[in-house]
Amino acid sequence: EVQLVQSGAEVKKPGESLKISCKGSGYSFTSYWIGWVRQMPGKGLEWMGIIYPGDSDTRYNSSFQGQVTISVDKSNSTAFLQWSSLKASDTATYYCTRGLIVDYWGQGTLVTVSS
Amino acid sequence: DIQMTQSPSSLSASVGDTVTISCRASQGITNSLAWFQQKPGKAPKSLIYGASSLRSGVPSRFTGSGSGTDFTLTISDLQPEDFATYYCQHYYNHPRSFGQGTKVEI
Repeated sequence: EVQLVQSGAEVKKPGESLKISCKGSGYSFTSYWIGWVRQMPGKGLEWMGIIYPGDSDTRYNSSFQGQVTISVDKSNSTAFLQWSSLKASDTATYYCTRGLIVDYWGQGTLVTVSS
Repeated sequence: DIQMTQSPSSLSASVGDTVTISCRASQGITNSLAWFQQKPGKAPKSLIYGASSLRSGVPSRFTGSGSGTDFTLTISDLQPEDFATYYCQHYYNHPRSFGQGTKVEI
């Protein structure tokens, strides 16, 4: 069974760093792109970027380029989304997805940034 | 970047109705379009890819159509579990983008 299991909810202060994860199982992790999607409270879905675990080829939405870093540890079948300095506006639920044509979604990670 | 525009933003319907949601791309995307369903507090679920191909396990009352710039999701014989928000997304190139969503309410 294909699964994408994300790390748990986080509460952070502005300016702090954060790295959330998405672990794939039940398939060949290095053969499918992993994407990240943001959903701010009460809002729609926003495509952030995508990485190919096989060679770490990464593409970003220009709106998120420089604001986040997408990475992967293929030895542990895990993709990451990280921030070096969080803002209150980063408060959202973040989803990881599988595939260039999305078929599976992670359960989401709620990130709350508040002083 | 390609912009995706859905209409309407919300609609009211009853069990047994047929509803239609439209999605328009700002430029031609051939049939590189997917539809997703999201229920409150849950992760989205993949319904359709290639504009009209149903994902495994998705009921046949869901139908996708269109190509180029104009696409439609039709839900026939609406069931209680279909009340949700629906999003289209193109995957023609990078960056991918989603429509703003259509909330199907009772």
